[in-house]
Amino acid sequence: KAGVTQTPRYLIKTRGQQVTLSCSPISGHRSVSWYQQTPGQGLQFLFEYFSETQRNKGNFPGRFSGRQFSNSRSEMNVSTLELGDSALYLCASSLDTVVYGYTFGSGTRLTVV
Amino acid sequence: DQQVKQNSPSLSVQEGRISILNCDYTNSMFDYFLWYKKYPAEGPTFLISISSIKDKNEDGRFTVFLNKSAKHLSLHIVPSQPGDSAVYFCAATGSGAGSYQLTFGKGTKLSVIP
Repeated sequence: KAGVTQTPRYLIKTRGQQVTLSCSPISGHRSVSWYQQTPGQGLQFLFEYFSETQRNKGNFPGRFSGRQFSNSRSEMNVSTLELGDSALYLCASSLDTVVYGYTFGSGTRLTVV
Repeated sequence: DQQVKQNSPSLSVQEGRISILNCDYTNSMFDYFLWYKKYPAEGPTFLISISSIKDKNEDGRFTVFLNKSAKHLSLHIVPSQPGDSAVYFCAATGSGAGSYQLTFGKGTKLSVIP
């Protein structure tokens, strides 16, 4: 079966712009989670959606937002980009909670210049 | 405050020998632990997990040990192979609302030398 698909793979944006990243989960998976990976902070949880509802949110500013559609596809948006937002953004899908198993996508590499 | 710590940023092991990767946690609410492996330009791949009701879980060459009193877990890879060279992340989650997210360590880069 197809894995988790994240688009685009690479993105270069300018400070102050906004960006939208997309994630298509494995078919049948209703939970989608987003993580930010940076060299200094490692992998940090952004938010998790299940059946279009945000169930949990990490400790990130309000510039980071997300949503999930009825087909379980998810998008995350970062507004007013800062240099420190440069990171690998990873999406993971699951049937439900973490114990059901996460499958990660390959990520979107965002560079803010 | 880092709730999951992997104190060794890197580890080098000879092919065929045992690799031991360590992880410590501070949050007593964590009751389910996972190890992920990550190659460059790819997402993390699940390796093995353990529930707090167990102290050991084995899957082929991979064994995870959990010491709840010490809040410590370790991943053993025996025998190590060059293809095991990657970054290994320890992750933890808790019951209830906490089970919707993973808390990761910063990773240990394992290099298996042929």
